[in-house]
Amino acid sequence: GAVVSQHPSWVICKSGTSVKIECRSLDFQATTMFWYRQFPKQSLMLMATSNEGSKATYEQGVEKDKFLINHASLTLSTLTVTSAHPEDSSFYICSAPDSVLVGEQYFGPGTRLTVT
Amino acid sequence: AQSVTQLGSHVSVSEGALVLLRCNYSSSVPPYLFWYVQYPNQGLQLLLKYTSAATLVKGINGFEAEFKKSETSFHLTKPSAHMSDAAEYFCAVSDLSGTYKYIFGTGTRLKV
Repeated sequence: GAVVSQHPSWVICKSGTSVKIECRSLDFQATTMFWYRQFPKQSLMLMATSNEGSKATYEQGVEKDKFLINHASLTLSTLTVTSAHPEDSSFYICSAPDSVLVGEQYFGPGTRLTVT
Repeated sequence: AQSVTQLGSHVSVSEGALVLLRCNYSSSVPPYLFWYVQYPNQGLQLLLKYTSAATLVKGINGFEAEFKKSETSFHLTKPSAHMSDAAEYFCAVSDLSGTYKYIFGTGTRLKV
């Protein structure tokens, strides 16, 4: 099956710094990728839709300037958390839809971000 | 707007007992429905999916789910629970409007 990878798997950064998370589709092309955020013991919340070659579409309540998304190629989307604060600590998961199987998505393993 | 409701944030069963995790959806048209499992600090693994074909869907690890349009339900079952089934389970509905975004339920933690 299709594989989506994320890097890094975990990261610790200091408050005020920025951190970049990569999401790659390894064996298929993805013109669209999704970014989710998951707080401990909670469900996944869709943050934004990443579109190759155009601006990302953010969900209501998500700060565009804080969570910068760049979909640089058909296999890579990045999420940059700018000026991170402890409340940004969370589990970030990306996904990419299957190009053939309508409605199905493949999820990355997630990135654990801890801001100290 | 579509929504997903998972009744019971925690379910506890004995090993060998029936597992039943409930999921109800709200949608104006039959959507695509999915069940995912998540182990601690890991991503999501697809258990099974309903994409308007057979209403009884069989998935991995002995799980199955039945799509019932009249009840707007897609409950997940497994005849006999195993210790390794202890995890978080999420029901999701796919937005078929063209964006194919997922809307997740709040999740059910299964304890065996």
